[in-house]
Amino acid sequence: AQSVAQPEDQVNVAEGNPLTVKCTYSVSGNPYLFWYVQYPNRGLQFLLKYITGDNLVKGSYGFEAEFNKSQTSFHLKKPSALVSDSALYFCAVRLYSSASKIIFGSGTRLSIRP
Amino acid sequence: SQTIHQWPATLVQPVGSPLSLECTVEGTSNPNLYWYRQAAGRGLQLLFYSVGIGQISSEVPQNLSASRPQDRQFILSSKKLLLSDSGFYLCAWSVGRGTGNTIYFGEGSWLTVV
Repeated sequence: AQSVAQPEDQVNVAEGNPLTVKCTYSVSGNPYLFWYVQYPNRGLQFLLKYITGDNLVKGSYGFEAEFNKSQTSFHLKKPSALVSDSALYFCAVRLYSSASKIIFGSGTRLSIRP
Repeated sequence: SQTIHQWPATLVQPVGSPLSLECTVEGTSNPNLYWYRQAAGRGLQLLFYSVGIGQISSEVPQNLSASRPQDRQFILSSKKLLLSDSGFYLCAWSVGRGTGNTIYFGEGSWLTVV
């Protein structure tokens, strides 16, 4: 079955430190992977995606993600965290068998302390 | 540019009453349209998606239905709400049939069934 997993419910980081939010996937064929951010009581905002090409993908707000095919991972990273980065982050995978559907992980709550 | 509108933003309905949530997309044609539900501020559950007028795919058997009467309009309905229908409902859209296409979300509708 095709799926995406976010193993950490919560990640706590001090402001200015690097952050990593983990994501692993299981799909048939080539994976199409996405990261979204959700602020309280808001819809999801698109951050970045991996389709093909460079394994390091750069996105909005200084975030980047590294695609690792051997480890089937797509971890979200940022070199220096901001308090305003505190939010709920979702990893997602497009199902290879259906161009119309995207499946989300359970979400990771990122908390940046001043 | 494309925009998505979703309303109402907040809704409190008694058990057994009907429901209608509406979503429209502007600035694009023939979008793929989606309804997701988010419970307890975490994972997203795909409820329905549509690739064209009158074409609805249901992902989860439930007390809800969806309709697409116009190209850029997607409606989520229920004849009789249950307490378990409470949650945060998100409409989303994408264009094209490629697996790399990004899905974009509206701001969501909070439904509380009392």
